[in-house]
Amino acid sequence: ETGVTQSPTHLIKTRGQQVTLRCSSQSGHNTVSWYQQALGQGPQFIFQYYREEENGRGNFPPRFSGLQFPNYSSELNVNALELDDSALYLCASSFTGEQFFGPGTRLTVL
Amino acid sequence: GEDVEQSLFLSVREGDSSVINCTYTDSSSTYLYWYKQEPGAGLQLLTYIFSNMDMKQDQRLTVLLNKKDKHLSLRIADTQTGDSAIYFCAEITTGANNLFFGTGTRLTVIP
Repeated sequence: ETGVTQSPTHLIKTRGQQVTLRCSSQSGHNTVSWYQQALGQGPQFIFQYYREEENGRGNFPPRFSGLQFPNYSSELNVNALELDDSALYLCASSFTGEQFFGPGTRLTVL
Repeated sequence: GEDVEQSLFLSVREGDSSVINCTYTDSSSTYLYWYKQEPGAGLQLLTYIFSNMDMKQDQRLTVLLNKKDKHLSLRIADTQTGDSAIYFCAEITTGANNLFFGTGTRLTVIP
């Protein structure tokens, strides 16, 4: 059974650019949640996708958007990047509650 | 709103027990979790407890929940150097579908 995978591992962008991060959920999981973890902080909930529909959103602006595909993999898109968007982005997949996390994508915005 | 607090740092000697504490404010918590994060890595679920339980034991890990005081603790028996990491407590509340995390406690195990 393959766990949750994320790509890329690291990414460097400049202010104003756009970025797409990808997450493959664990086999059999139909729900993907995205979290942002700034340096020295706990993860903060961005949004969740269940069966290709957004199913809850945290306190993040609309320039953070997402998609879930029929195979339950997911993308996180961030437009108009700001310096404060520099963080570790974690995705977690689940089926009935317990969330399994991927290794994260570290985004640096210069 | 939810607020989950943890002390930032804990140092223990190898072989001693570690106790990591967490307090939360939302009384509608349904599940409470402990996650471990090693440097440069994602989150590993260690254990969880349902809100109607007082205690859960899983090998070297013991979770205690005091619902009246909204206090959660994780005890690690016979702490090893491989236990050095950041430990997060997290909750899911009634009607929510996301985890709400504390700020994390950095555990350092001294050989």
